[in-house]
Amino acid sequence: DAGVIQSPRHEVTEMGQEVTLRCKPISGHNSLFWYRQTMMRGLELLIYFNNNVPIDDSGMPEDRFSAKMPNASFSTLKIQPSEPRDSAVYFCASTPQQGAAQPQHFGDGTRLSIL
Amino acid sequence: SQQGEEDPQALSIQEGENATMNCSYKTSINNLQWYRQNSGRGLVHLILIRSNEREKHSGRLRVTLDTSKKSSSLLITASRAADTASYFCATANYGQNFVFGPGTRLSVLP
Repeated sequence: DAGVIQSPRHEVTEMGQEVTLRCKPISGHNSLFWYRQTMMRGLELLIYFNNNVPIDDSGMPEDRFSAKMPNASFSTLKIQPSEPRDSAVYFCASTPQQGAAQPQHFGDGTRLSIL
Repeated sequence: SQQGEEDPQALSIQEGENATMNCSYKTSINNLQWYRQNSGRGLVHLILIRSNEREKHSGRLRVTLDTSKKSSSLLITASRAADTASYFCATANYGQNFVFGPGTRLSVLP
């Protein structure tokens, strides 16, 4: 079975550039989560969707960050303009249903470096 | 915050030994989950224990939960080099999503 697929796996770009991270959840999963992982702050929830609708975006750090889920099989996380402090590993995860009793299935992440 | 805090931050053991990691949290929870993360990979779900459960087993994994002490432990028995990874607890409050702790880095030496 295909797991959560993220692209690209690595992204290096200069500050000020727009960055778009992509995620394909597991087919049939209704909830999708975006996380950011750094050494200093650990794993932080940025935003999550249920049935393609954003439910909680309180973790999105600034207006420079935006996320969309145009359909059940695709989501994007965009940073515009990017800054060096945005460097981190960004993970996408999905669950079959909404609710905190669901094990989360993670992709392998996008390692983002902003120079 | 309901964030779980793992202890110790790092643990180094010999292959064949048991590894115990602890997680403490601050508020009431619905369930607690343990995840493993290998270097350069995403997190993998290991086990979920609900607030009304005290112990669960899965293969070489044993998880306990003490809601009175707001703590959980993960025991890996007969460790293998392949168990080398970071281990995270994630706590979930009723109706809310997970908050992950900072993790325990486990090194199993051959």
